[in-house]
Amino acid sequence: GAVVSQHPSRVICKSGTSVKIECRSLDFQATTMFWYRQFPKQSLMLMATSNEGSKATYEQGVEKDKFLINHASLTLSTLTVTSAHPEDSSFYICSATMTSGGETQYFGPGTRLLVL
Amino acid sequence: LAKTTQPISMDSYEGQEVNITCSHNNIATNDYITWYQQFPSQGPRFIIQGYKTKVTNEVASLFIPADRKSSTLSLPRVSLSDTAVYYCLVGLGGQNFVFGPGTRLSVLP
Repeated sequence: GAVVSQHPSRVICKSGTSVKIECRSLDFQATTMFWYRQFPKQSLMLMATSNEGSKATYEQGVEKDKFLINHASLTLSTLTVTSAHPEDSSFYICSATMTSGGETQYFGPGTRLLVL
Repeated sequence: LAKTTQPISMDSYEGQEVNITCSHNNIATNDYITWYQQFPSQGPRFIIQGYKTKVTNEVASLFIPADRKSSTLSLPRVSLSDTAVYYCLVGLGGQNFVFGPGTRLSVLP
């Protein structure tokens, strides 16, 4: 149980284009979903927290107009990197907590983004 | 935000028991302690979670002293496949989670 999926697993795009990453909780309903970014050899950095049906809360230094987050249902959150640039190339990981008894955060497999 | 401190790296040999200690001096009353394992290019994988005393599951044990200001992840009889980065986090439901650098465990043959 408690499986989180991400799609796509990797994506290559040209500079200036937008990329959408999906995060799904497959066997549970997620009250809250989180988006992280991880650069090589570094730890995970929280980008934003999203709750179903409400606006995401962004961490300091994360541009909300560049990283659009939509949490339309209790099983799906999307992250759209708008007008991507090479410096946005990174490993993006989502996670989710269960609606009930949500002490544990379950992570997706991650999405590798490469912007050329 | 609760902050944790762990050793940056550890080496071990196959078959040994590995103990990784994490300090979290400002843990809040409602915070749980959760440990994750991460392999390169993968998302963190949940290992174990506890609130106090000792918790054991099929892969690890978690020891938490009464003051909860630290915790120790114990991996019995590690194998090469346990080579990974291990993160200790404190928080509730992901709120206030701050990932530190983690502990890079290298298991040698």
